[in-house]
Amino acid sequence: SQQGEEDPQALSIQEGENATMNCSYKTSINNLQWYRQNSGRGLVHLILIRSNEREKHSGRLRVTLDTSKKSSSLLITASRAADTASYFCATVTKAGGTSYGKLTFGQGTILTVHP
Amino acid sequence: NAGVTQTPKFRVLKTGQSMTLLCAQDMNHEYMYWYRQDPGMGLRLIHYSVGEGTTAKGEVPDGYNVSRLKKQNFLLGLESAAPSQTSVYFCASRKDGDYGYTFGSGTRLTVV
Repeated sequence: SQQGEEDPQALSIQEGENATMNCSYKTSINNLQWYRQNSGRGLVHLILIRSNEREKHSGRLRVTLDTSKKSSSLLITASRAADTASYFCATVTKAGGTSYGKLTFGQGTILTVHP
Repeated sequence: NAGVTQTPKFRVLKTGQSMTLLCAQDMNHEYMYWYRQDPGMGLRLIHYSVGEGTTAKGEVPDGYNVSRLKKQNFLLGLESAAPSQTSVYFCASRKDGDYGYTFGSGTRLTVV
């Protein structure tokens, strides 16, 4: 079963614009992570936000977390053609003795940035 | 550091054949994972390991076996391949604590 659900499924923007992707999840989490996957490649870890954090920045990335709504958003500012990729949110559920930090992924958002 | 290395990168199997996918990491990570990625399904956890000599089932373990005899290696075996196992397989590792995963570049497996 999928823990995270991304929205939108696909996003097409022009270079220089901002891209916002949303993720909703179902169960209480320990942390939430965002990954990027270029076509035919492995996933690359972008950012991790813990359940007691509300916002985090890394370069042009801004992630917010609202645990009351069980949702997160990833904002990429001043997008570039090289940002074209699939973006996945993934959650680590609250440690329950057997979770061992397992990531549960959503289906991803396909971002296309046009030059 | 090479990170996480998966071999082979591509493989075509006939139904009923067996094979082993190798994952090696040089970061001294405790935790290792095998995922499969199918179109429209995201990534689903097959098996994982929390340390040398330990393995556990994930979300979709049927038809697969794993072994972690050495800390740096995590092997995924298919005893009798089925067309439903056609997928892209990713290995990942992480160190203890709230850290992101490091993924390998994947193995594209086709079962005909």
